[in-house]
Amino acid sequence: GIQVEQSPPDLILQEGANSTLRCNFSDSVNNLQWFHQNPWGQLINLFYIPSGTKQNGRLSATTVATERYSLLYISSSQTTDSGVYFCAVDPLASGGSYIPTFGRGTSLIVHP
Amino acid sequence: ETGVTQSPTHLIKTRGQQVTLRCSSQSGHNTVSWYQQALGQGPQFIFQYYREEENGRGNFPPRFSGLQFPNYSSELNVNALELDDSALYLCASSLAAGGRNTGELFFGEGSRLTVL
Repeated sequence: GIQVEQSPPDLILQEGANSTLRCNFSDSVNNLQWFHQNPWGQLINLFYIPSGTKQNGRLSATTVATERYSLLYISSSQTTDSGVYFCAVDPLASGGSYIPTFGRGTSLIVHP
Repeated sequence: ETGVTQSPTHLIKTRGQQVTLRCSSQSGHNTVSWYQQALGQGPQFIFQYYREEENGRGNFPPRFSGLQFPNYSSELNVNALELDDSALYLCASSLAAGGRNTGELFFGEGSRLTVL
């Protein structure tokens, strides 16, 4: 099956710093989502981004499907950005049933 | 707030028991999928239901089963619980048109199961 690798696995920042999280995938995909898992366990949608670039406030994401990677940018980080960031992909081979594969996540800690 | 609700939020069971977890999908969504997330791991896809039928399954044994109801809510049932079943169980809803899922998932807050 498809392999999804996220990097870095852990990231520690001071408030106000910028960061880039990466998601590499081993095969063609129908779509890709980025999520933020808060300390209570809920997965919060950040971006649904099978290709191209999107921005939402301090966060933006870019997916280059032909090169099989996606990047999540966090600017001017805040303590509330702490948590685990996951990317999830739907392999093209799933035929539209959307059987997502998640990476292992990037754990982000933002210190005040 | 995604509009996806799960119950119970926490529960403790003993090995060999059975458990039922429930999920109400977001208004307008017709597809529900379930995931198991062990500590320190990403969520693992269990199965997906569309129009009350299972239409996708991950690498989980048959003792993991589910249902979807006409109102699109869903249940996850796990029989013969094992210690390794201890995990956060997440439900997600999405919209499929003509059997093809649009792909954007919206998750509930999860049910944390502990098996002793």
